[in-house]
Amino acid sequence: DVVMTQTPLSLSVSPGQPASISCKSSQSLLHRDGKTYLYWYVQKPGQSPQLLFYDLSSRFSGVPDRFSGSGSVTDFTLKISRVEAEDVGVYYCMQRLHLPFTFGPGTKVEIK
Amino acid sequence: QVQLVESGGGLVKPGGSLRLSCSASGLSITDYYMTWIRRAPGKGLEWLAYINSGGRTIYYADSVRGRFIISRDNAKNSLYLQMNSLRDEDTAVYYCARDDYLLSGASAIWGQGTMVTVSS
Repeated sequence: DVVMTQTPLSLSVSPGQPASISCKSSQSLLHRDGKTYLYWYVQKPGQSPQLLFYDLSSRFSGVPDRFSGSGSVTDFTLKISRVEAEDVGVYYCMQRLHLPFTFGPGTKVEIK
Repeated sequence: QVQLVESGGGLVKPGGSLRLSCSASGLSITDYYMTWIRRAPGKGLEWLAYINSGGRTIYYADSVRGRFIISRDNAKNSLYLQMNSLRDEDTAVYYCARDDYLLSGASAIWGQGTMVTVSS
């Protein structure tokens, strides 16, 4: 199975400051169709998980543009340019190229 | 209102069985892959299984293969998860999700989850 790792596992950020989460996969997520099957989700307290990005860097509808997804092949990054209080939650990367699909362990983002 | 609603969770003894349902309202699941994902207490998300629109293509995570069965009834706009031989480690909130082929299969719509507790 593809192992997804994330660093850090927890992050405490002051409002208005940037935040960055790294995700690495044990196998390439670049498909021959040119897409990278890397996704980002967030689970906010008391809520169901919600999609942030698909295809590495395609922002899902309604996701603020202070969020960005980047990377390639096996190394990926989720960035928040200016953290807001509503961004509190656990952020997961996930791969959908190799079965079984797998999530990273999650990065808990808190506000200082 | 567009939503997926899971039901069927509860308390069950180790070795027991439970059947979860995921009912869609305000949206159709007919043309979509559907997925079950869980989150155990204090742990992260775990992808469990998916089923294609016709119900013929199915894949399970190793942790549930041979014990869980995913199925669907498109006429009822519903998804199911039959869980057998339950173990303590199956205790989790179980979510169903609709995978959007326009978003490279991303799970774009999720239910609110149903809690399954396996304990003697």
